[in-house]
Amino acid sequence: DVKVTQSSRYLVKRTGEKVFLECVQDMDHENMFWYRQDPGLGLRLIYFSYDVKMKEKGDIPEGYSVSREKKERFSLILESASTNQTSMYLCASTTPGAGSTEAFFGQGTRLTVV
Amino acid sequence: KNQVEQSPQSLIILEGKNCTLQCNYTVSPFSNLRWYKQDTGRGPVSLTIMTFSENTKSNGRYTATLDADTKQSSLHITASQLSDSASYICVVVSNYQLIWGAGTKLIIKP
Repeated sequence: DVKVTQSSRYLVKRTGEKVFLECVQDMDHENMFWYRQDPGLGLRLIYFSYDVKMKEKGDIPEGYSVSREKKERFSLILESASTNQTSMYLCASTTPGAGSTEAFFGQGTRLTVV
Repeated sequence: KNQVEQSPQSLIILEGKNCTLQCNYTVSPFSNLRWYKQDTGRGPVSLTIMTFSENTKSNGRYTATLDADTKQSSLHITASQLSDSASYICVVVSNYQLIWGAGTKLIIKP
């Protein structure tokens, strides 16, 4: 079974702190994604990566950066956390090929910025 | 603009009843469509995939339909159980892009 693991289930951080969210997948997937999920808005893509050291901005990249130093690990960084970044963060990796692309998700990290 | 719209936004039904969730999309080109189930506090998990040539596919008590002409999909749940309480998210794959709906929150009451 594909496993996507996020480092924390719950985090509470102070405004202005630098926050690291880690995600690891064990199926050698090339594509990895970071989403945030807010009530009524669904999943919104922050950043994605299709290879080591490669990254692409999603729909809402402002205030975030990412790092992909190894194929299995994709990190999301909040350079200076703000209260409007309080959200559920979901990491996903996808199977290759457009014909049957399936996204496998981690369990999510619920981040609260106070 | 590629979009996926789901309705209703939320739904409450009694245990044992059936329900149907809707997904309308304006996505081109179309690769496939998936329905995901997301339990509270967890990441979404794939329920079923629909390709362009498929009209109906069942997975236990879940039946998904796809009308590629009208660009509509539905997810029908039969004989609902308390464990069906979750959010159901429709996603359309366009080339390598995943376009997500906002989801339908389903609550099953005993």
